[in-house]
Amino acid sequence: DTGVSQNPRHKITKRGQNVTFRCDPISEHNRLYWYRQTLGQGPEFLTYFQNEAQLEKSRLLSDRFSAERPKGSFSTLEIQRTEQGDSAMYLCASSLAQAGAYEQYFGPGTRLTVT
Amino acid sequence: DQQVKQNSPSLSVQEGRISILNCDYTNSMFDYFLWYKKYPAEGPTFLISISSIKDKNEDGRFTVFLNKSAKHLSLHIVPSQPGDSAVYFCAGNSGSARQLTFGSGTQLTVLP
Repeated sequence: DTGVSQNPRHKITKRGQNVTFRCDPISEHNRLYWYRQTLGQGPEFLTYFQNEAQLEKSRLLSDRFSAERPKGSFSTLEIQRTEQGDSAMYLCASSLAQAGAYEQYFGPGTRLTVT
Repeated sequence: DQQVKQNSPSLSVQEGRISILNCDYTNSMFDYFLWYKKYPAEGPTFLISISSIKDKNEDGRFTVFLNKSAKHLSLHIVPSQPGDSAVYFCAGNSGSARQLTFGSGTQLTVLP
């Protein structure tokens, strides 16, 4: 399977702990996105990488959140000092930067529960 | 400020009939629109898209219509099948990052 993969699929953590999620995009895709989805809502954009450069961050991405894409391949999203409000599904998507085709392909997500 | 709205949280349709899912947007900068389907415990799956320079795009049983003056798009599924039962999200696309702005989704149930 050559789709987007995310690990872990589920994470339960206690408030105040740090967590890190990993995303492996489709191999030839140079754009990578992180979204967050809460119950009853659509995914909300968090941040975007083109190759290894983080080019855009949403105001939703507080100082406790950091994302990296060190070699332009996989990406990690870290949340420090987790809060109960961080409980959500974290989705990663990738796409190929080409004019006129802006489809993004999503991974299965990481479900975070903060207790 | 909800830039993309899906006002119907749910829709039930009989198998074989047409399903019509609606979406309204307010951001005039959107130049590309996409529909995604989502099953429980999975990520969204890309379904069909349309550029703002077109008013219709068709792919098999799925057709998306865009009315720019009304800032409205719709997804038609015909004939509907039980396997189409899922949450459908519409999304607008814009900006240098080409990030997606999603609506809140419509749960489609196709009854056998």
